[in-house]
Amino acid sequence: LAKTTQPISMDSYEGQEVNITCSHNNIATNDYITWYQQFPSQGPRFIIQGYKTKVTNEVASLFIPADRKSSTLSLPRVSLSDTAVYYCLVGDRDRVPTFGRGTSLIVHP
Amino acid sequence: GAGVSQSPSNKVTEKGKDVELRCDPISGHTALYWYRQSLGQGLEFLIYFQGNSAPDKSGLPSDRFSAERTGGSVSTLTIQRTQQEDSAVYLCASSFLASGGARPDTQYFGPGTRLTVL
Repeated sequence: LAKTTQPISMDSYEGQEVNITCSHNNIATNDYITWYQQFPSQGPRFIIQGYKTKVTNEVASLFIPADRKSSTLSLPRVSLSDTAVYYCLVGDRDRVPTFGRGTSLIVHP
Repeated sequence: GAGVSQSPSNKVTEKGKDVELRCDPISGHTALYWYRQSLGQGLEFLIYFQGNSAPDKSGLPSDRFSAERTGGSVSTLTIQRTQQEDSAVYLCASSFLASGGARPDTQYFGPGTRLTVL
């Protein structure tokens, strides 16, 4: 299974762009990269998923370099409501995804 | 439509008692997952159902833990002879397993059941 490494915590301020990088050096050919967001006292929710290059949706962008050994979740102009834990998952549909400890993002006024 | 629901939302029990936690997945979702999250920790995988069968029980921490799913819908996680270390939030998720491809399916999570063992 591909192991992921991401920062335990990050701090930012309202209006800034936040980039959270996840390392996954042993990613397999069939693996996708998926990010989930978890607010306090709630279950995680899907944010974005990609295989290579760049994916963008209304919430975030996901940048994946050609070697796919890392990925970066980019949150544009964060607000206080973006304070949450962000999980990076790597895998394919044949395996249950593994949630690590995630990155705790705190957005300050 | 309705999301994943779990009941009870909170459960306080005494050490040694049995508890049952319930999960109602999104209608039509064939896959169902149970996770456990201790305070300040990530999600620990417990068990996964595809339909009514459980191809992956590898995460169940001991034989005190069991789960079943009936009718391809509701699932119950049972913890027998609860211990204080069982205290955690138990999360359920469901997904619709689309056919073909390697892309993982999106998991939809319920709000969780907070279990406290005194």
